[in-house]
This record gives sequence, structure tokens and C-alpha cells, in this order.
Amino acid sequence: QVQLQESGPGLVKASETLSLTCDVSGDSISSGFYWGWIRQPPGKGLEWIGSFSHLRNAYYNPSLKSRVTMSVDTSKNQFSLKLSSVTAADTAMYYCARPYTFADKAKFSIWGQGTLVTVSS
Amino acid sequence: QSVLTQTPSASGTPGQWVTISCSGSKSNIGSHTVNWYQQLPGTAPKLLIHNNSQRPSGVPDRFSGSKSGTSASLAISGLQSEDEADYYCTAWDDSLNAYVFGTGTEVIVL
Repeated sequence: QVQLQESGPGLVKASETLSLTCDVSGDSISSGFYWGWIRQPPGKGLEWIGSFSHLRNAYYNPSLKSRVTMSVDTSKNQFSLKLSSVTAADTAMYYCARPYTFADKAKFSIWGQGTLVTVSS
Repeated sequence: QSVLTQTPSASGTPGQWVTISCSGSKSNIGSHTVNWYQQLPGTAPKLLIHNNSQRPSGVPDRFSGSKSGTSASLAISGLQSEDEADYYCTAWDDSLNAYVFGTGTEVIVL
């Protein structure tokens, strides 16, 4: 059974870089799947941040692309998200997720429980 | 601002049929399959319908999806109290080169 678990600081100062990690269990980070990040501001809808695979292409939301970096650590079987120059608008629940099949970039069927990140001024 | 528009809310009594609509354009729903997610309060979203009308294993058959042109619909037959949740449609958008979520629909069980 594949499980994902996000971790990282719950509070980030404005203009700094948000860094989150997603630990993967039950699957290898090198299995060929894309690995994705999605966020949800409090009381609002879902926003796809991007989908990344170190073995394939990377796809990022154009509205965030200039500030986003995604990577994997095969030794720890985890993948990461960095979002630079954060503002209050980046305050959100951040989810990591894995798509349904190898062919999918973003049809996410496995989700972490989410981690709330608040940007403070 | 999302390119997939959903009605903000829908409601029904237990046992009723409820339909949720998702309106898009040629660059998203018109060109790609639609997926639907269910988000229960305080939890992560769950893939409910994929490829317009397919249910992942474990999803009750009272949930059904359809697509026509640049619109899609999710139907819940025999509404149950545990169906009270937010529902989101999604699709890839060629113009944005991005995976886009709908604005979301809150389903209320009266």
C-alpha cells in the first residue's frame, strides 16, 4: 500500500523560500511515476503546483513556474518542493500526491494528508 | 481564477439524485478526459471518477460521470449523508499547459 507523508515548516516568513518534503512508502521514487504537489488556500479550491519525475519530464503550473523547484532524493525515497519569494497568497494546505498510472501526469489517486504552511509578514 | 466553472453548491435529501456540472472549453474538457475528486471536510481529496466516467476500485456505483463537448457532469444517485463534501472536476488544459481544477461544488445533504 503506497503512502505519502508531507513534512516541513508550518510557518515561513514572507520573501523567504518554502521547503516541503514528501516521504514515500510502499513504492520506489524511481518507479517511473510522476510525483505531484497540489495546494489549497484556507477555505478555497485546489491548485495544481506541478508534477515531476527525475526519469521523465517535469510539468509546472505556469503561474508558479518561475518560483518552483521540484526534486527527488532517491536515497531517502522522497521528493521535495521549494517555492521561493513567498507571500501571504502562498498560505495554504500543501498536498503531495501520486497519479493513477504511469501514463498520467496529474490524475492523482494517492494523496498525503497535507501540511499547512502559513506565510507570516 | 479557474477555467473550469462549477455551480457553487447543490443539495438534496437522502435518496435523491443530485447532478453537478463542470463547464470548460475546447482547450481542456473539449480535448481531454475529465476527472472528479471528492473532498470530505478536513481530509485530502479522493479520486472519484477518472477518464470521464470510470470509477476507481472501491467507489460506489451510485457515483457516475459523463462528458459532452466542453462540459462534464457528476451524478450522485441515492444521495447519502456521507456524500456531503466538496466536489472538484479537473482536466488538462492545452492553452495553459497545466492541470486545472474546477471551482468546486459543495454538496449539502438536507
